Amino acid sequence: AQSVTQPDIHITVSEGASLELRCNYSYGATPYLFWYVQSPGQGLQLLLKYFSGDTLVQGIKGFEAEFKRSQSSFNLRKPSVHWSDAAEYFCAVVSEFGNEKLTFGTGTRLTIIP
Amino acid sequence: GAVVSQHPSWVICKSGTSVKIECRSLDFQATTMFWYRQFPKQSLMLMATSNEGSKATYEQGVEKDKFLINHASLTLSTLTVTSAHPEDSSFYICSARAPDAREPQHFGDGTRLSIL
Repeated sequence: AQSVTQPDIHITVSEGASLELRCNYSYGATPYLFWYVQSPGQGLQLLLKYFSGDTLVQGIKGFEAEFKRSQSSFNLRKPSVHWSDAAEYFCAVVSEFGNEKLTFGTGTRLTIIP
Repeated sequence: GAVVSQHPSWVICKSGTSVKIECRSLDFQATTMFWYRQFPKQSLMLMATSNEGSKATYEQGVEKDKFLINHASLTLSTLTVTSAHPEDSSFYICSARAPDAREPQHFGDGTRLSIL
């Protein structure tokens, strides 16, 4: 079965510092991968997606992610974080085609310190 | 970008009442909508998949008689929590996707349900 692992439950980063959130997936074929962000009490907002092609994907808010098939990873990066980036981040993979069900990772909570 | 509207955003009601939550896709036709439940500090748990004009498909362990889902049009799906009890208190989130298989799910802002 498909699965997504986000090894870091909580990460604290200083404002202006670089960020990398890890995501590993287990899937037999080429995966469709997503990163979503959730602010407290809100729904999820799509940051970026990967289906095929260029393995470095650009998203909104200055985020990017790199698909590495050899490592089964899809890590999210940002060169310089802002206080407004504090939120919960979820990696997800399409786990069932036809209706495109998503399997989510457990999430990584990002805290930004001044 | 694609917008999904979820209403109400917050509801408090007495135990035993039924609560209806609406999920609308505002600028695209959603052939499939999903309903999730999220417990504090946890990830999203898929409850059911709803395809327009057909019965919803429920995940294992989700009571279909407790959580009634209707997807009567390409832009509206509703979740009704019947005879709600305190253990049904949670954050419920819907999502919708367009027919293109590569389109991502777009999420509503969620509904905070509190049963007294």
